[in-house]
Amino acid sequence: EAGVAQSPRYKIIEKRQSVAFWCNPISGHATLYWYQQILGQGPKLLIQFQNNGVVDDSQLPKDRFSAERLKGVDSTLKIQPAKLEDSAVYLCASSPISLYEQYFGPGTRLTVT
Amino acid sequence: GNSVTQMEGPVTLSEEAFLTINCTYTATGYPSLFWYVQYPGEGLQLLLKATKADDKGSNKGFEATYRKETTSFHLEKGSVQVSDSAVYFCALRNYGQNFVFGPGTRLSVLP
Repeated sequence: EAGVAQSPRYKIIEKRQSVAFWCNPISGHATLYWYQQILGQGPKLLIQFQNNGVVDDSQLPKDRFSAERLKGVDSTLKIQPAKLEDSAVYLCASSPISLYEQYFGPGTRLTVT
Repeated sequence: GNSVTQMEGPVTLSEEAFLTINCTYTATGYPSLFWYVQYPGEGLQLLLKATKADDKGSNKGFEATYRKETTSFHLEKGSVQVSDSAVYFCALRNYGQNFVFGPGTRLSVLP
């Protein structure tokens, strides 16, 4: 069974630029999560999708972050414009049913200079 | 709100040493408790879990017991290997809510 795929693995941008991350969950998993992991901290949930609907985006900075999962499969997380404090690893996870065990992708390491 | 506290790292041990990584939590109700491991360059992997008080989760020689009286879920392994070097995250999940992760503890095992 293929795992959660993410791309790119690494990205370096300047502040005020835009960036997008892509995630393809495990086939058949209805729930998809995006987490932000700042160096030295645990993952913090940004947004949770159930199929193509948003379940929880209470910690998503909506003035600059957006995410979509149009067909209920893969998802894109965008930051526009980026700030220095957005430097982090962005993790995608999926699970077959909401709040069951989560399977994580390898993450995208973003550096904002 | 819910929160997880872990012992600060890094923890450095020699191969075959005994490992304990402390984890305590604050939560209402009866959360499920988890340990995740993150190897260099990889995403988080579930190591073990416990869903109710006095349950013991175990996997790959690691164990943790859900202690409700002390609100703890300490991770232990009797004899660590170099390949166990990673970052370990304690986490909880309350019914109807999402995961809350601790800050992680980095373990380095020296040959």
